[in-house]
Formats: sequence, C-alpha cells, structure tokens
Amino acid sequence: SQTIHQWPATLVQPVGSPLSLECTVEGTSNPNLYWYRQAAGRGLQLLFYSVGIGQISSEVPQNLSASRPQDRQFILSSKKLLLSDSGFYLCAWSDDSGLTLHFGNGTRLTVT
Amino acid sequence: SQELEQSPQSLIVQEGKNLTINCTSSKTLYGLYWYKQKYGEGLIFLMMLQKGGEEKSHEKITAKLDEKKQQSSLHITASQPSHAGIYLCGAYIRGGSEKLVFGKGTKLTVNP
Repeated sequence: SQTIHQWPATLVQPVGSPLSLECTVEGTSNPNLYWYRQAAGRGLQLLFYSVGIGQISSEVPQNLSASRPQDRQFILSSKKLLLSDSGFYLCAWSDDSGLTLHFGNGTRLTVT
Repeated sequence: SQELEQSPQSLIVQEGKNLTINCTSSKTLYGLYWYKQKYGEGLIFLMMLQKGGEEKSHEKITAKLDEKKQQSSLHITASQPSHAGIYLCGAYIRGGSEKLVFGKGTKLTVNP
C-alpha cells in the first residue's frame, strides 16, 4: 500500500534562516506531488505541484521554492524565511489520474 | 476570491445530534471531495462525488452533490465525539484553476 511521509512534524526557525521540508512517497511510482499551506483564516492554499522529476509548477509567487530530485521525493525550501511563512505545510500525492489526493501529516512551521 | 465557500465556519453540537455542513461554488464542480482533519494533522479522505445527484455514505457520514453540481452537503447522523475535527471540501472547478482547490473548512465540536 502507498504511504506518504513528511518531516519534521514541527519546526521553529528565526526570520532569515533557510528552510527545508521533505516529503517522500512509498508504494507507487511517478506520483503527482503537491505542497499546500494552511494558514489561519485562509484555508488550504496550493503552493507547488509536480508531475515528474524536475518538473515544478508554482501556483503563487512567494518566498518559497520546491524541488523534486527523485521520483518520490518532494522538497520545499526557502533561502530566507519571513514571518509570513509561518503555517501548516502539507504534502500530498495523487496517481496519474490526478483525482484523489492523499495527504501527509503536515509540518507546523513557526517563524520567530 | 474564495472559489469554494463552506458554511458554517464552526459548529458545536451535542453528542447524538444530526448536523449538516455545506460547500458552495459559483462555478460547476467537477469532482467534489470531502476530507476530515484533526488539529495539527494531515487530511483524511472521506469520499468523492462526481455526478450530479450522487450521494455516498461512510458509516454515519453522508455526502451529496446537488443536481446542478454547484453545491455539496455533508450530513452526520447521531454525532459522536470522534466526529470532531475540521471538515474541508475540495473540488476541481472548470473554468478556473484545474487544480484541486479547498474551502476554508468547518470546525466541528461534539460535546459529550
């Protein structure tokens, strides 16, 4: 069966520091991968999605970037965190049909 | 602007009571998804509706997609404390983004 792992679960980082959140999927190949951010009062916002290695689409301009160095690995990064980057980050995957998304357990990021 | 509107934003019910959560779009919905989220955790897929008039049930949770495919309702019968959490609807909306967009969620509290 397929599983998705996301880490770390929580992270507290100072403003201006770099960020790296990792997500891996097991039990499937060539998944579509997604990064969402959930902020208070704003719901779930799609940040990036990827349909294959090295293929990244950005949904909103921001201080973050994403990379997919391997088929089942999706990384969310920032060179310098802003206070506004605080939130709950969720990784998700779907199969080729791109219909049902399956989510990881999320990372709670607090930028201080 | 928010493409999916959920109501109510929060709901407090006594254990054993029935409740309904609504998800409305101004555009036609293609593939309406209901997810449940416990605080600080990932989203758990509940069910997906695609056809107008479709209704699905999982244990005591029933979801419907109306005939015009612009609104879905989630109904919980005889609520229990285990039903507590945040319920989010997600949908592919034709004519807008082709990605899965989400409502802001409905926070459900069930008092014993």
